[in-house]
Amino acid sequence: SQQGEEDPQALSIQEGENATMNCSYKTSINNLQWYRQNSGRGLVHLILIRSNEREKHSGRLRVTLDTSKKSSSLLITASRAADTASYFCATMNYGGSQGNLIFGKGTKLSVKP
Amino acid sequence: DVKVTQSSRYLVKRTGEKVFLECVQDMDHENMFWYRQDPGLGLRLIYFSYDVKMKEKGDIPEGYSVSREKKERFSLILESASTNQTSMYLCASSFHPGRPSSYEQYFGPGTRLTVT
Repeated sequence: SQQGEEDPQALSIQEGENATMNCSYKTSINNLQWYRQNSGRGLVHLILIRSNEREKHSGRLRVTLDTSKKSSSLLITASRAADTASYFCATMNYGGSQGNLIFGKGTKLSVKP
Repeated sequence: DVKVTQSSRYLVKRTGEKVFLECVQDMDHENMFWYRQDPGLGLRLIYFSYDVKMKEKGDIPEGYSVSREKKERFSLILESASTNQTSMYLCASSFHPGRPSSYEQYFGPGTRLTVT
C-alpha cells in the first residue's frame, strides 16, 4: 500500500539552485523519513522527522512536517551535481508493526553543472 | 558502519527456475526486509522478519517465500520464477522499534533480477 506521494515526479535544476520536493501521506504517522537513491543502487537514509517536530536541519538539508496537512517537504540548498539522485519519503505509521516503512514513488532530481 | 550485503548485483534466470536471493547484515539488527522496486511503482514490501524464524507478509508476497535461520541472514526465494518477477530487489535491516536509532533502515546495493 502506497502512503507517501512525492511531488514533483522529476525536477531539473542548475548547480547552486535550491531543490524542493514535497511528500503527502494519508494516515497518522509516528515519523517521516527521507532517503536518497543513486542510480541503480540501494537507498541511503538522509533525515528523520518525528510527528511532534515541525522542522529539522542536517547540513544542506531542511525538512518540514505539517501533520495537519499530512505533508512534508525536503529542501536541498545550494545543490551540487552529486545531489543528482532519486529521493523518497517514507512514513512509519502509529501502531505500525515492527518498524515498517511505507515508501512513496520518489522524485528524480537532476542537477546540471 | 552498517553493512548490508546482497549475494548478487545482477542475476539472469529462466522461467520456472527456483531463485535464491541472499542478504546479510552485520549490525545485529532484529528487523530485516525484502522490497522490490519497479519504475513508476516505487518500493513495495514483499516480506519482513522481526526475529529469527519469524516472518510476516508484506504487500506483495505472492510468488515469494523467505527464510531467516540466523539473525544476520534473510533469504528471499522465488519458488518458480516468472517474467513478471523481473525487477530490482532490495534488502534492508533495522533495529526493533524502541532501541536507539531504531527507525532508520539500512539498505543493501540491490539485485537486478532478469527472468527470461
